[in-house]
Amino acid sequence: DTGVSQDPRHKITKRGQNVTFRCDPISEHNRLYWYRQTLGQGPEFLTYFQNEAQLEKSRLLSDRFSAERPKGSFSTLEIQRTEQGDSAMYLCASSLGGTSGSYEQYFGPGTRLTVT
Amino acid sequence: AQSVAQPEDQVNVAEGNPLTVKCTYSVSGNPYLFWYVQYPNRGLQFLLKYITGDNLVKGSYGFEAEFNKSQTSFHLKKPSALVSDSALYFCAVRDSDGGFKTIFGAGTRLFVKA
Repeated sequence: DTGVSQDPRHKITKRGQNVTFRCDPISEHNRLYWYRQTLGQGPEFLTYFQNEAQLEKSRLLSDRFSAERPKGSFSTLEIQRTEQGDSAMYLCASSLGGTSGSYEQYFGPGTRLTVT
Repeated sequence: AQSVAQPEDQVNVAEGNPLTVKCTYSVSGNPYLFWYVQYPNRGLQFLLKYITGDNLVKGSYGFEAEFNKSQTSFHLKKPSALVSDSALYFCAVRDSDGGFKTIFGAGTRLFVKA
């Protein structure tokens, strides 16, 4: 399977703990996005990478959230000092940029975070 | 700032009948418009897009959408609905002047009854 993969699929943590999620994009895609989705809502944009550079961050991404994409391949999203309000589905997507870019994004299955 | 509205939380249609799922948008530049579908326990899947050119775009599974600049709309349509089309549909927009941030609507649940 050459789609976008995310790990773990589910994470239960206690309030105040740190969590880290991983996303592996489609191999030839140079653009990578993180979103957060809560029940009954559409995905909310969190951040975007082009290769290893983080080019955009939403104001939703507080200082407790950090994302990296070393070497422009996989990406990690870390949430420090988790709060109950962080409980959501975290989605990763990738797309192909450049002059032959396809514009549409391909989504992974998501990581469901539950903060107790 | 860019925004997307999907005015209907739910659309009900009988199998074999045409379906329409509505979407309106707001951007400052030119819009790049998308429809995605989410089936239960599955990730979001791309259906179709409007970037430029012909206002009527065709996508996967027999779906199509019409871009209407004057009404700032991008409604999703299918001539004959199938029970298997029942899913959650999201409209999304990216502003050509706004970087790569994509804004999604809240979603419309489509129920197709046999």
